[in-house]
Amino acid sequence: EPEVTQTPSHQVTQMGQEVILRCVPISNHLYFYWYRQILGQKVEFLVSFYNNEISEKSEIFDDQFSVERPDGSNFTLKIRSTKLEDSAMYFCASSDAAGAETQYFGPGTRLLVL
Amino acid sequence: GQNIDQPTEMTATEGAIVQINCTYQTSGFNGLFWYQQHAGEAPTFLSYNVLDGLEEKGRFSSFLSRSKGYSYLLLKELQMKDSASYLCAVFNNAGNMLTFGGGTRLMVKP
Repeated sequence: EPEVTQTPSHQVTQMGQEVILRCVPISNHLYFYWYRQILGQKVEFLVSFYNNEISEKSEIFDDQFSVERPDGSNFTLKIRSTKLEDSAMYFCASSDAAGAETQYFGPGTRLLVL
Repeated sequence: GQNIDQPTEMTATEGAIVQINCTYQTSGFNGLFWYQQHAGEAPTFLSYNVLDGLEEKGRFSSFLSRSKGYSYLLLKELQMKDSASYLCAVFNNAGNMLTFGGGTRLMVKP
């Protein structure tokens, strides 16, 4: 069964450093998403991406965040200058259409900013 | 804005039935999803409702009333492995995004 994959599974970084989180969505999916979940809190939407551009972003997704689809398979989330409060689990998800199509989540990257 | 409420924790006994409620107030609605999340893992899809009524899928069923802004997830014949968080999420087509509730942590006891 196809699945979303994410690397790395864990990342530890120093405050102010740049991190890139990588995702490989399900191969025939066209819509890609990033969500985050701070420990003990709810899953929060960050950004949706379609046709090589952002279709929606939340207030969390400020100028420090960016997304890219550098090739036909990868989808990345970059945090330019990490803050302590960026520590969270970051989930990538994909769906094969817009509308209320099921979003399938990857296993997540646990980011710890020291 | 979006407001999604569900109980924080529930406890049930192995073999029993449990109902997890979710109420929502959203500016846009185009479907309601239930996901299961084990600690430290990704949410996994359980069910989806866009029309009023009951959707059944094995031991899991989900109900939606759009006029009441209400859904529930029904789990039958509970097993120990059903101990997890259950996340209610509303899909907003305008934003093409899911808005999640805080999740209900279900503990299944022998």
